[in-house]
Amino acid sequence: EPEVTQTPSHQVTQMGQEVILRCVPISNHLYFYWYRQILGQKVEFLVSFYNNEISEKSEIFDDQFSVERPDGSNFTLKIRSTKLEDSAMYFCASSEAGLGFNSQPQHFGDGTRLSIL
Amino acid sequence: SQQGEEDPQALSIQEGENATMNCSYKTSINNLQWYRQNSGRGLVHLILIRSNEREKHSGRLRVTLDTSKKSSSLLITASRAADTASYFCATDAFIGGSEKLVFGKGTKLTVNP
Repeated sequence: EPEVTQTPSHQVTQMGQEVILRCVPISNHLYFYWYRQILGQKVEFLVSFYNNEISEKSEIFDDQFSVERPDGSNFTLKIRSTKLEDSAMYFCASSEAGLGFNSQPQHFGDGTRLSIL
Repeated sequence: SQQGEEDPQALSIQEGENATMNCSYKTSINNLQWYRQNSGRGLVHLILIRSNEREKHSGRLRVTLDTSKKSSSLLITASRAADTASYFCATDAFIGGSEKLVFGKGTKLTVNP
C-alpha cells in the first residue's frame, strides 16, 4: 500500500538555525498538509497546500514557516529561525481530495521529531 | 467542551472486551474522522463519517455520529492486544477563519492480554 514518507526521522538543531523537513506524499494525491504535535498534546494543523499554493494556514504558521513543492514528489516545511518552542513531532499528510463535505481520508507519515537545543 | 474532545482520556480493558470512546465537538462539521496512533508513529486513518451519515462500520469498528448532540462514538468490538494505541477524533470544519482538520487530545486505550 502506498505511504507517505518523511525524512529525517529525528532532527536536532541549535536555536536560531534553519531547518527543512521533507515529505514524499502519495503519488496520486493532490492535497498536502503539515501538522505538529508537541509532546503529550494535540495534533495541530499548520498548513494545507494545493496546486502549488497555500490553501489554509493556522495562526501557528507565521512568517518563520514556509512550504514548498520543489519538484513533482517532495513537499517541504522550512522553519527559518528555530525557537525552543518549535520542538515537536511534525507530520506530513496527503489526500486525494481537499477538506469539506466530500473530503477523503488524510494519510500521514511517521513524522519527524524536531528537537531544538 | 473543546472542538474534538475525547472521553475517556484513558481506557484499560481485557482482550476480548469491547472498547467505546466518545468525541464531542462544538461547531457544525462536514465530517468527522477517527485515527489511531501507535506510540512514536504517525496517525492511521480508521473511519470517516460524513455529516449526513449516522453510523458506519469497518471490520470490528463501529462509528456513530449524532449531529444534534454534536457527538460521535467509536466502538471496537472483541478487542485485541494489538489495538493498544491512542485514538483521536478529528472534525473537518471551518474554524477560526480556515477550513481544517481539528484533532482532540485522544483516548489512550490499553488492551491487556
